[in-house]
Amino acid sequence: DAGVIQSPRHEVTEMGQEVTLRCKPISGHNSLFWYRQTMMRGLELLIYFNNNVPIDDSGMPEDRFSAKMPNASFSTLKIQPSEPRDSAVYFCASSAADTQYFGPGTRLTVL
Amino acid sequence: KNQVEQSPQSLIILEGKNCTLQCNYTVSPFSNLRWYKQDTGRGPVSLTIMTFSENTKSNGRYTATLDADTKQSSLHITASQLSDSASYICVVSPFNFGNEKLTFGTGTRLTIIP
Repeated sequence: DAGVIQSPRHEVTEMGQEVTLRCKPISGHNSLFWYRQTMMRGLELLIYFNNNVPIDDSGMPEDRFSAKMPNASFSTLKIQPSEPRDSAVYFCASSAADTQYFGPGTRLTVL
Repeated sequence: KNQVEQSPQSLIILEGKNCTLQCNYTVSPFSNLRWYKQDTGRGPVSLTIMTFSENTKSNGRYTATLDADTKQSSLHITASQLSDSASYICVVSPFNFGNEKLTFGTGTRLTIIP
């Protein structure tokens, strides 16, 4: 298995632009998680899905952030409009039981 | 508020030496405690998972210990190798949330020098 796949790996955009991050979980995993990692705050859970249904989005910073999971093999995290403070590494992870498997992350820089 | 604190923030040791990383948590009750290894530019990878009833768990040269009474865990690395250079993150899973709402520490940055 290729593991969790994320795209793009790097994204540089200007403040105010829309950003879409993509994730393909490991086949057969029924839970998917979106995290944000910064030096100051470490890893923070933004939202997680179970069987394609959003279960808890209390970690989503504000209305500018939205996430979807239209099917078991694809999820997106959208930021609109983006701001410089959104600069971070965004990880997607999936799991079938106890262990979460992380993707390589998307490094987002908002200028 | 549930918290996980790790120490030291960073550590530099010589190749071949042993080291111990510390984790203190306030999450209670909790389901399990995990240690993750994160190489630079990569996502975290699970090293060990311990339930509240386990005292120790090994994965090769990595040994994690847990004292649920004092709410402390440690990760001991034996005979360190250059490939051990990474961040090590302690993660606690609250009892009623299972695998979902993990509480992450900010990590210890370990550097192994030849």
